[in-house]
Amino acid sequence: DIVMTQSPDSLAVSLGERATINCKSSQSLLYESNNKNYLSWYQQKPGQPPKLLIYWASTRESGVPDRFSGSGSGTDFTLTISSLQAEDVAIYYCQQYYEKMLTFGGGTRVEIK
Amino acid sequence: QVTLKESGPVLVKPTETLTLTCTVSGFSLSNGRMGVSWIRQPPGKALEWLAHIFSNDEKLYSTSLKSRLTISRDTSKSQVFLTMTNVDPVDTATYYCARAEEYRYESGYYPHHFDYWGQGTLVPVSS
Repeated sequence: DIVMTQSPDSLAVSLGERATINCKSSQSLLYESNNKNYLSWYQQKPGQPPKLLIYWASTRESGVPDRFSGSGSGTDFTLTISSLQAEDVAIYYCQQYYEKMLTFGGGTRVEIK
Repeated sequence: QVTLKESGPVLVKPTETLTLTCTVSGFSLSNGRMGVSWIRQPPGKALEWLAHIFSNDEKLYSTSLKSRLTISRDTSKSQVFLTMTNVDPVDTATYYCARAEEYRYESGYYPHHFDYWGQGTLVPVSS
């Protein structure tokens, strides 16, 4: 199974500042036939189910604010919150769907400094 | 409007079999390119994918839990089921069902990202 490793485990960012979350996969998630990276990002607030933010590594789900962006290719990916808002306090997970055995990262907790 | 809702027992004893139900609406389990997965989350821990059922009734299981899991469906009731045998306290978790679009490749069907999730059901395993 593909192992997804997120870093850091947690980070504290001031309101309005940038938050950067990393996700590394144990093998490439780039499918060369269509040049797409099979990676998604989710946001989970306390007591709620995860919410899809990003898929294909960089495509924002409908309704997701544009301060959220995804980047990266191959084995290294990043979720960036360009200007942290109070409502962005949550745990963020990456997930690969390159293989049928789907796997998630361990999560990154984002807090306000 | 797409919705998924999980239901299950309030408590399960060790060694018993757990049965969960996911009732969906707003999409078809059998006509289209949408399948349903079960995902769990122990308290304070990360998400773990368990199983997936495709629109053509093909099934996928987590490598580590395959021997204990069975996923099935009743399309007439728009329900997806998950049974887990021989439960242990470490299986205590919130269990979610989620919808995933599926794509066909040369090597078969693959589930992708999860666009809709249920609210989850907390299943304690304790004697």
